[in-house]
Amino acid sequence: EDQVTQSPEALRLQEGESSSLNCSYTVSGLRGLFWYRQDPGKGPEFLFTLYSAGEEKEKERLKATLTKKESFLHITAPKPEDSATYLCAVQAPSGSARQLTFGSGTQLTVLP
Amino acid sequence: GAGVSQSPSNKVTEKGKDVELRCDPISGHTALYWYRQSLGQGLEFLIYFQGNSAPDKSGLPSDRFSAERTGGSVSTLTIQRTQQEDSAVYLCASSTSGPEQFFGPGTRLTVL
Repeated sequence: EDQVTQSPEALRLQEGESSSLNCSYTVSGLRGLFWYRQDPGKGPEFLFTLYSAGEEKEKERLKATLTKKESFLHITAPKPEDSATYLCAVQAPSGSARQLTFGSGTQLTVLP
Repeated sequence: GAGVSQSPSNKVTEKGKDVELRCDPISGHTALYWYRQSLGQGLEFLIYFQGNSAPDKSGLPSDRFSAERTGGSVSTLTIQRTQQEDSAVYLCASSTSGPEQFFGPGTRLTVL
């Protein structure tokens, strides 16, 4: 069974204080690993897709990296508007299944 | 362009009543997914439609849950004889042939 574990559950940072969020996964063959951002009362917003170990993607202050067992979302010099819940998900190539298996998320708060 | 839309945004119902939740995917997206997000838990896959193929219903929690997709576009998720444990945010997502899924804002269902 595919499993995704995110840590920490919650993280509070001062504005400008860089940090990383972790996503550990167990899956029998990885089709893709996805990062989403979710603001309160809204649906998840797509950020990145990573396909193979060693791959990196960047967008503004965010950088996602992938190894064979985990992914990191690095946040450089965060701003209060980066406050949100960050979700990690995996997609496994089990037959025709394309559904995502999500972690429980990391709730990030960036204080001004 | 327009994103995924869902209606209603909020639904309050009494235990035992039936409810219908609607999803309008992004135009041209052939795949459509329903997920459920309960308080403090990750997103849980419910059902997946791809083109004219038979849907993947493997995530539906009971036979009270059903979904259909008419004309390869709009989808309706129906919950019969609602229970309090059905209270959650129901999220719809759509995608093209690629793996990235784009989510709607969700319907918050409250069963009294």
